[in-house]
Amino acid sequence: EAGVAQSPRYKIIEKRQSVAFWCNPISGHATLYWYQQILGQGPKLLIQFQNNGVVDDSQLPKDRFSAERLKGVDSTLKIQPAKLEDSAVYLCASSLGGVGTDTQYFGPGTRLTVL
Amino acid sequence: AQRVTQPEKLLSVFKGAPVELKCNYSYSGSPELFWYVQYSRQRLQLLLRHISRESIKGFTADLNKGETSFHLKKPFAQEEDSAMYYCALSSSTLGRLYFGRGTQLTVWP
Repeated sequence: EAGVAQSPRYKIIEKRQSVAFWCNPISGHATLYWYQQILGQGPKLLIQFQNNGVVDDSQLPKDRFSAERLKGVDSTLKIQPAKLEDSAVYLCASSLGGVGTDTQYFGPGTRLTVL
Repeated sequence: AQRVTQPEKLLSVFKGAPVELKCNYSYSGSPELFWYVQYSRQRLQLLLRHISRESIKGFTADLNKGETSFHLKKPFAQEEDSAMYYCALSSSTLGRLYFGRGTQLTVWP
């Protein structure tokens, strides 16, 4: 089966610019996650979708970050405007059901550098 | 508050030596515990979970609720085990994972 797809793989922008990331989960997976991984740290959840509804966005900096999952499949994560501290790898993951015992399958990530 | 602690950022062993990667957690409830691994130039993937009680690639991990630990062990390390290992937990009802900072394991020939 095809894995989780993400694009772009790399992005370099200047601070105050905007950027968008795209994720296509594994077919049939109801739950989609966006994680932020800053260098030297473990991934941290930004937002969790169940189908096209938001389950958890408590750690999403909503003044600059937004995410949507139209039609319960693909998802986009946007940052506007970007700050230097947003430099990180953005990981998308999907799982079948979204409960704690489910395996999460991760994409390759998008490495963002903010100059 | 949920927290996962991996005290070792780097761990080096020689091939054939035993290896133990430490993980301690704090969680108010019954967590699900996982080990995820990231090999060089590959994506993050599940290695094992405590609920399965299985051995994957020779690795095992036992959940010790008294010590709130979930250490990963392998009796004889191999060079192909060199990777970044992340301990993670989730609740039984919500899927979000809380990750530790990771331990970079290097197995020397």
